Amino acid sequence: GQNIDQPTEMTATEGAIVQINCTYQTSGFNGLFWYQQHAGEAPTFLSYNVLDGLEEKGRFSSFLSRSKGYSYLLLKELQMKDSASYLCAVMDSNYQLIWGAGTKLIIKP
Amino acid sequence: IAGITQAPTSQILAAGRRMTLRCTQDMRHNAMYWYRQDLGLGLRLIHYSNTAGTTGKGEVPDGYSVSRANTDDFPLTLASAVPSQTSVYFCASSETGEQYGYTFGSGTRLTVV
Repeated sequence: GQNIDQPTEMTATEGAIVQINCTYQTSGFNGLFWYQQHAGEAPTFLSYNVLDGLEEKGRFSSFLSRSKGYSYLLLKELQMKDSASYLCAVMDSNYQLIWGAGTKLIIKP
Repeated sequence: IAGITQAPTSQILAAGRRMTLRCTQDMRHNAMYWYRQDLGLGLRLIHYSNTAGTTGKGEVPDGYSVSRANTDDFPLTLASAVPSQTSVYFCASSETGEQYGYTFGSGTRLTVV
């Protein structure tokens, strides 16, 4: 079966760095996505990785290792507005997105 | 404003009633999707459409139907609502090309009582 695993909840301090991990087992791989979802809102696109390595975009970076079925999202210089759920999703061989349940990130002052 | 519009924003529905959730996009995206999101389960695909005139079943299609008469509209119908269909429903669309990901509507919060 297809499976995406990520921690249910994480807590971090404002100004710090946090790493949210995602492991996956899917039928085929056509890329991995990270989305941000604030409470009561729609998910919004953060990043896309299809090749191994690190993609940096401002305060957010995303890493992929296809051989390990592993990705992480790194958030630097945390701000209170970063409190949200972070969703990991993998595009399978049918170009359908398979979603993890999301990681709720709580930022404390 | 370019994007996806969903209606209604929220609805309380009596069990057994029929309901259509509306979804319209103005980005000319070929592919459209309907998801439901439940606490602890993440987003689950109900139905999808890769292009106008075609539809397909996702992970949890039972009790739902869709149509795609044109590029812009992708309505989701609950023929006879049941309490287990209480959820937040998101419509999404995507361009051709996997690197673009999905654009989501703002969601419909449906409560079946």
